[in-house]
Amino acid sequence: AQSVSQHNHHVILSEAASLELGCNYSYGGTVNLFWYVQYPGQHLQLLLKYFSGDPLVKGIKGFEAEFIKSKFSFNLRKPSVQWSDTAEYFCAVSEHQGGKLIFGQGTELSVKP
Amino acid sequence: EAQVTQNPRYLITVTGKKLTVTCSQNMNHEYMSWYRQDPGLGLRQIYYSMNVEVTDKGDVPEGYKVSRKEKRNFPLILESPSPNQTSLYFCASSSLGGDAIPYGYTFGSGTRLTVV
Repeated sequence: AQSVSQHNHHVILSEAASLELGCNYSYGGTVNLFWYVQYPGQHLQLLLKYFSGDPLVKGIKGFEAEFIKSKFSFNLRKPSVQWSDTAEYFCAVSEHQGGKLIFGQGTELSVKP
Repeated sequence: EAQVTQNPRYLITVTGKKLTVTCSQNMNHEYMSWYRQDPGLGLRQIYYSMNVEVTDKGDVPEGYKVSRKEKRNFPLILESPSPNQTSLYFCASSSLGGDAIPYGYTFGSGTRLTVV
């Protein structure tokens, strides 16, 4: 069965530090990949997605992610975090055709001012 | 405003008392889905629907029912709620692109359910 792993459960950074959150998935076929952010008390919002093409995807708020097929990874990055980036981040994977969307366990990011 | 609306936002109920959580979207999306969010487990998919009258099980469908009689509505039904269904529930919708691929999901604000 498909699974998604986010190895960092809680990351604490100071403002202006660089961020990289890991995401690995287990499905061997063609996949669609997503990163979502959930600010405290709010619903999930889409940060970025990858369907095909350039494996380096740019999203909103300065986030980007790189799909490395050989490593089954889709890591999220941001060069310089802000206090307002404090939130929980979820990686999600779906098969190329189909409605099942599998989420990782989430990574809580705390940014210290 | 394009949105997914869930009701109620908060619900406390007793074991065995049937309840329905409603979900409605105004974006004419074909795809709709329900998730539950539990600490340390992330979001797990309960059911999804690719179009009217088409529903499929997600990863944790036990104890839940859904229906998709109209495109805009996708209610979640708990026929006999139990305490292990205490959770935060999210509804989501998406348009479908070529090859029936969901493009990106819009989530509702969530329903916090407590079953005592």
